[in-house]
Amino acid sequence: NAGVTQTPKFQVLKTGQSMTLQCAQDMNHEYMSWYRQDPGMGLRLIHYSVGAGITDQGEVPNGYNVSRSTTEDFPLRLLSAAPSQTSVYFCASIKGTGTSGELFFGEGSRLTVL
Amino acid sequence: GNSVTQMEGPVTLSEEAFLTINCTYTATGYPSLFWYVQYPGEGLQLLLKATKADDKGSNKGFEATYRKETTSFHLEKGSVQVSDSAVYFCALGLSGTYKYIFGTGTRLKVLA
Repeated sequence: NAGVTQTPKFQVLKTGQSMTLQCAQDMNHEYMSWYRQDPGMGLRLIHYSVGAGITDQGEVPNGYNVSRSTTEDFPLRLLSAAPSQTSVYFCASIKGTGTSGELFFGEGSRLTVL
Repeated sequence: GNSVTQMEGPVTLSEEAFLTINCTYTATGYPSLFWYVQYPGEGLQLLLKATKADDKGSNKGFEATYRKETTSFHLEKGSVQVSDSAVYFCALGLSGTYKYIFGTGTRLKVLA
């Protein structure tokens, strides 16, 4: 089982560059989400989606865009990277409905913005 | 607002020692509570969960009880192993939403 797959695992950008972090899951989960992990701050929700064509903002959405055209894929776009976006990014999907379900995480994408 | 507070680390223990990692929460409604574990270089994975008051979640020798009266969900293990070295995150799922709130994580290091 592949589970949740994120690419790339590592990326270095210059300020102002754009890029897309890819996330794919093969478990047919309706819910997918993006988190960022920063030292001393735990995980913070960026954007989430409860199904194809439906997305919503989380706690820290500024500077990020998402779309959900298929159940399997949920890419995260940085339109103009800033040093404050240096972080480790995790994609996660939920098995089950609502927030009693288990989050399945990808292995993470470490982004450095110079 | 909704929040999760867990004890700061790092926590360093000898093998076979007793482990407690404290977690308290503030939330409206009746949240679900979780402990996730993150091993080096990996994503988070579910360790255990509890979905209502007085439920006890358990897995791999770890336990936590959902205490509504004290708004707590402390993680315990009777005898830790070197392989338990990881970062542990307490989290809550807000009822009626798809939103989860995570604590800041507690790093555990177990020495042989």
